[in-house]
Amino acid sequence: DTEVTQTPKHLVMGMTNKKSLKCEQHMGHRAMYWYKQKAKKPPELMFVYSYEKLSINESVPSRFSPECPNSSLLNLHLHALQPEDSALYLCASSQVAPAGGQEQYFGPGTRLTVT
Amino acid sequence: GENVEQHPSTLSVQEGDSAVIKCTYSDSASNYFPWYKQELGKRPQLIIDIRSNVGEKKDQRIAVTLNKTAKHFSLHITETQPEDSAVYFCAASSGGGTSYGKLTFGQGTILTVHP
Repeated sequence: DTEVTQTPKHLVMGMTNKKSLKCEQHMGHRAMYWYKQKAKKPPELMFVYSYEKLSINESVPSRFSPECPNSSLLNLHLHALQPEDSALYLCASSQVAPAGGQEQYFGPGTRLTVT
Repeated sequence: GENVEQHPSTLSVQEGDSAVIKCTYSDSASNYFPWYKQELGKRPQLIIDIRSNVGEKKDQRIAVTLNKTAKHFSLHITETQPEDSAVYFCAASSGGGTSYGKLTFGQGTILTVHP
């Protein structure tokens, strides 16, 4: 299996809702990432997990809460979001390599709309 | 932190022509440089990458060159086809330390190939 999968594909939520985005990979990768992408912009890194431990948090507001329950799964819990949080949320995974970057494989994304 | 500049922001070519997209980076510790292609509504897909110990890499119609001294790298697409039309992102990663796993993306180039 060489794919990263994400659910749901689309999500509409109100500002008081709590929802979760899910990401799964079965490539044996031990690094997983959350990115946010606005229209016509590059992906912006939010979080990096390495060996199921949070290694990078790019000063993301606490209304976004990541979780890595095991080496194949990555969740992003959402609470009290703002309309400006509407975006495409991409998950990615890669091998872990201490000496340098590794190919990151992206999932199809979740298109989030906050009303 | 790392800063990646990408030019041009839009590129229009005739089918069969070559296309060149250029990126510069700021962090001399960066050692991994991937290129992603993103079609409208789809995930970014890795098309080619290069590491700092290599000056050039080629895969069929696509090639990437790296000049570490000048801190720039370029994507070359030959014999362009309409299906090459997409947004192309360059990125840089330093690996190691607190930046481990972090890809810094350029702003993207919208490539349009006219039949």
